Amino acid sequence: KAGVTQTPRYLIKTRGQQVTLSCSPISGHRSVSWYQQTPGQGLQFLFEYFSETQRNKGNFPGRFSGRQFSNSRSEMNVSTLELGDSALYLCASSLTGDTSTDTQYFGPGTRLTVL
Amino acid sequence: KQEVTQIPAALSVPEGENLVLNCSFTDSAIYNLQWFRQDPGKGLTSLLLIQSSQREQTSGRLNASLDKSSGRSTLYIAASQPGDSATYLCAVASGTYKYIFGTGTRLKVLA
Repeated sequence: KAGVTQTPRYLIKTRGQQVTLSCSPISGHRSVSWYQQTPGQGLQFLFEYFSETQRNKGNFPGRFSGRQFSNSRSEMNVSTLELGDSALYLCASSLTGDTSTDTQYFGPGTRLTVL
Repeated sequence: KQEVTQIPAALSVPEGENLVLNCSFTDSAIYNLQWFRQDPGKGLTSLLLIQSSQREQTSGRLNASLDKSSGRSTLYIAASQPGDSATYLCAVASGTYKYIFGTGTRLKVLA
């Protein structure tokens, strides 16, 4: 069974540009969550999608957005990039997203560098 | 607001030693707690998931305990090996559909 895949694995952008990251969950999983990991702030929750609907959102500015498609694949977009957006972006999939029962499976991440 | 702290931030031990990693959280109203492992530049691997109604979980050389009332969890690693070297993260599910992560413990097991 294939794991969570994220593309691209590495990305270099300049300030002011926008970027789109992609996440394909494990087959059959309908929930996808996104996290940002930086040395200073650690791992922080961005948002979670289930059946194409955003169910929860972390404390990030509106420049960070996401969506989920009918096949459960998810994309996140960051507009008007800032230096502080440089981070490892991780996505996680689970069957239902119910944190009381589900295990989350994480992808390898996309390393974004903003110059 | 839930806050999760891990102590120590870094740990270096000789091979074969048994060790304990600590995780504390401020709000005892949690759904579950997970321990993850992260290798440098890689994603997270789930090690153990403890439901709020459980006291401990075991997998191989790993044992995780949970004391909700005191807001603490420990990850016990028996007979450590160099391959155990990684960053260990605990994460608490205290709100719907999301986890709050700890700051991590960077473990190095010396051969």
